[in-house]
Parts: sequence; structure tokens; C-alpha cells
Amino acid sequence: QSALTQPASVSGSPGQSITISCTGTSSGVSNYNYVSWYQQHPGKAPKLMIYNVTSRPSGVSNRFSGSKSGNTASLTISGLQSEDEADYYCSSYTNTNTVFGGGTKLTVL
Amino acid sequence: EVQLVESGGGLVQPGGSLRLSCAASGFTFSSYDMHWVRQPTGKGLEWVSVIGTAGDPYYPASVKGRFTISRENAKNSMYLQMNSLRAGDTAVYYCARANYYDSSGYAFDFWGQGTMVTVSS
Repeated sequence: QSALTQPASVSGSPGQSITISCTGTSSGVSNYNYVSWYQQHPGKAPKLMIYNVTSRPSGVSNRFSGSKSGNTASLTISGLQSEDEADYYCSSYTNTNTVFGGGTKLTVL
Repeated sequence: EVQLVESGGGLVQPGGSLRLSCAASGFTFSSYDMHWVRQPTGKGLEWVSVIGTAGDPYYPASVKGRFTISRENAKNSMYLQMNSLRAGDTAVYYCARANYYDSSGYAFDFWGQGTMVTVSS
């Protein structure tokens, strides 16, 4: 059982905004200021989209944004596009272990 | 250009061993912690191990005592020796670079394409 809980699926129509949550158990994630988000298309390697809760790597669209409230981090995608359809994973770490959320499948209707 | 290329995957019987390799290029390999992350078909990502710049390894309970991570900075390479393999170890294995964006927080900014490991009789 992952220390980070994500919804199994979310969906939205093109142009809309969606938010994916990532909730950590207080004992499972000790450093919740360092949540990152990854996008994974079928058959491809994951791609870093957000690091340190809110920061975007160079080259990632500003339609992707991250936030945190308490022990829940969130990834928001605005202006949904068909190419955003993918699996999304949050990640953080506890002491010396890295943990991933179970993943959320985003469907663009 | 940063590149990570995994190799060594394949079909192995339960109880067998396999050694994965990750060849790095395009960056100063010795300056980065490196990780292995795996993904069973149709399932989520699972962290497998990390090796720090000083060669310090860490593992989750699921592989501790069976897997050994190592690195050879002169060859810009990282390895994962997997022993006593089980059906549950069947997955695509990715190597990933950890980038510390500040003093404590890191994220995996580059990933390899993955290598498939199948444990089956």
C-alpha cells in the first residue's frame, strides 16, 4: 500500500481544467515539501512535470501547475489538450526511501 | 544531451539472477545520485534502489537482501544485480537520475527507456 494516495482516474473535456490529488499519510511522508509529478504515456518512460511541489522544469508547459495544502499535493492541468491524456504519478520520499502514488489515469473526453 | 540507456533484461526462471546495466552520457555521472524504478505491466511505478555519489545504497524492504545496486563512475555506469528473483519482480526496470533542486529536495529529471525483466518458468 502506497504512502501516497491518488484517485485512479480523472477526466475532462478539451479546454477544461482538472486537478489530481496526492494525499500522504502523516507517518508515511516525512518531507512533503518535496513532491514531484510525472506524466507517462503508454509505452514511454515517465517525464518530470513538477518538482518541489510547485516548480516546473524548463520546457514543461505552464498549463501544468502544482500546489499543496496540508498533507495533500495537487497537480492542475488547465486548457486540457488531447496530448495530456496519460498516467500521472506523484512522488515524495521518507528518510532514505522514495515513494510513488498509485497513479491517476487522465482521460480527455 | 543527457541519455540513460538500460540493458540486461530478459527472461529468467524463479530463483535465478540477472544483472541490469545503465549507461549514462551527457552529464557528470559521478555528481548525481542514481535510482532504479520498476513498473509491472499495467501497474504503477515502484522505487527499487538508490546509490549515492559516495556509493551508499538504499533499498525498500521488497528487494533488500536480494538486489544489489552499484556504480562505476569511470565507465559512467550503474548496475543492479538481482538474485533470488520472483514472479513479482517481473517489470520494466528504469534507471533515473535524481536532481537536487535545492539542498534537500530531489526529483527524477531524466529516465532511461527501460528494460523488461520477466521471471517465469
